[in-house]
Amino acid sequence: EAGVTQFPSHSVIEKGQTVTLRCDPISGHDNLYWYRRVMGKEIKFLLHFVKESKQDESGMPNNRFLAERTGGTYSTLKVQPAELEDSGVYFCASSQAGQVRDTEAFFGQGTRLTVV
Amino acid sequence: LAKTTQPISMDSYEGQEVNITCSHNNIATNDYITWYQQFPSQGPRFIIQGYKTKVTNEVASLFIPADRKSSTLSLPRVSLSDTAVYYCLVGPSGGYNKLIFGAGTRLAVHP
Repeated sequence: EAGVTQFPSHSVIEKGQTVTLRCDPISGHDNLYWYRRVMGKEIKFLLHFVKESKQDESGMPNNRFLAERTGGTYSTLKVQPAELEDSGVYFCASSQAGQVRDTEAFFGQGTRLTVV
Repeated sequence: LAKTTQPISMDSYEGQEVNITCSHNNIATNDYITWYQQFPSQGPRFIIQGYKTKVTNEVASLFIPADRKSSTLSLPRVSLSDTAVYYCLVGPSGGYNKLIFGAGTRLAVHP
């Protein structure tokens, strides 16, 4: 079974440009999460989808970040316009809904974003 | 959400058992303790999860004392490929995987 896949694996863009990251969760996983690690910092939660709905977006840094999950399958995370401090590794994770709690989160390999 | 404290780094040799202890003094009643492993250029990978006492799987064992204020991840007979960062987390919050990552423990296994 395919794991969580992210595209692209690397992206280098100039400040002010737009970048869209994509995440394909494991098939059947209703929960989809975005995390990121900026240089020298810890992995931080960004937001959580349950199917196509945003369950929790408390970690989104500002309104330059827009996440979508149309149809409850894959998700995109758009950064517009990108700033230097957005550089880092963006991880996507998915998990299966449980009756009491969800299964463990499966992470993708991440997208390394560099804004120059 | 409960904060965790674990060693910044550890060194070991191939074939040894490695124990990484994590403190989580403010763990909530509904929190589970979960350990993830991360290799360079990869996303974190789930290792083991427990609520109390001892849990064992094909990869590791997790020991949790009665007060649940700490936990110990035990890796039996480590190999070079176990060199990675190990994260101790408590949650998931509300049943979801809104995970709070700390700095983790960087384990280096030497020949």
